[in-house]
Amino acid sequence: EAQVTQNPRYLITVTGKKLTVTCSQNMNHEYMSWYRQDPGLGLRQIYYSMNVEVTDKGDVPEGYKVSRKEKRNFPLILESPSPNQTSLYFCASSLGGISGIGTQYFGPGTRLLVL
Amino acid sequence: GIQVEQSPPDLILQEGANSTLRCNFSDSVNNLQWFHQNPWGQLINLFYIPSGTKQNGRLSATTVATERYSLLYISSSQTTDSGVYFCAVINYGGSQGNLIFGKGTKLSVKP
Repeated sequence: EAQVTQNPRYLITVTGKKLTVTCSQNMNHEYMSWYRQDPGLGLRQIYYSMNVEVTDKGDVPEGYKVSRKEKRNFPLILESPSPNQTSLYFCASSLGGISGIGTQYFGPGTRLLVL
Repeated sequence: GIQVEQSPPDLILQEGANSTLRCNFSDSVNNLQWFHQNPWGQLINLFYIPSGTKQNGRLSATTVATERYSLLYISSSQTTDSGVYFCAVINYGGSQGNLIFGKGTKLSVKP
């Protein structure tokens, strides 16, 4: 089944404790992206990757890191989480290529609470 | 940067009614998508429609890129249509991976 998976789905952590949220897709997509969703602010892009080893900042990259060492995986790293990073996080992927990023397919979301 | 505005912010319908959701954007785009987030939080792509008109069952969408707006039509609405509808765009002159979302239209369909 073609899908985007995220782990964990729910996470409670404390300020300053490094964490990684994994994202994996099995559709051989070139483009992958991370978003956060907050009440009243909608969905905002954190980082995106047009292809392996190619990453770029979205609109709210502060406090986050990403890497794209292989096509299928795009982990989101919070080196020192803070309470303002409490949010619902979505990973997405799409075919990408010269025609543009194309139709986005979203993972199920990761709900993060930073105490 | 490009601004994406959706209207109305909230919409309540009786089952069977039709509705039109609007997405205005402030600059040229080469990517426009509509998404539905259901009450359980799942995000589903409805249309990839940078220009023209598409239809999928009871849903259809039209983008008039030269006038900087897109419309999503829902006909004969059902309770399962409830949720939040987002449009998202990529600015033609901006970073080609930077997808900008509107704040959404929250739709409630009553039985």
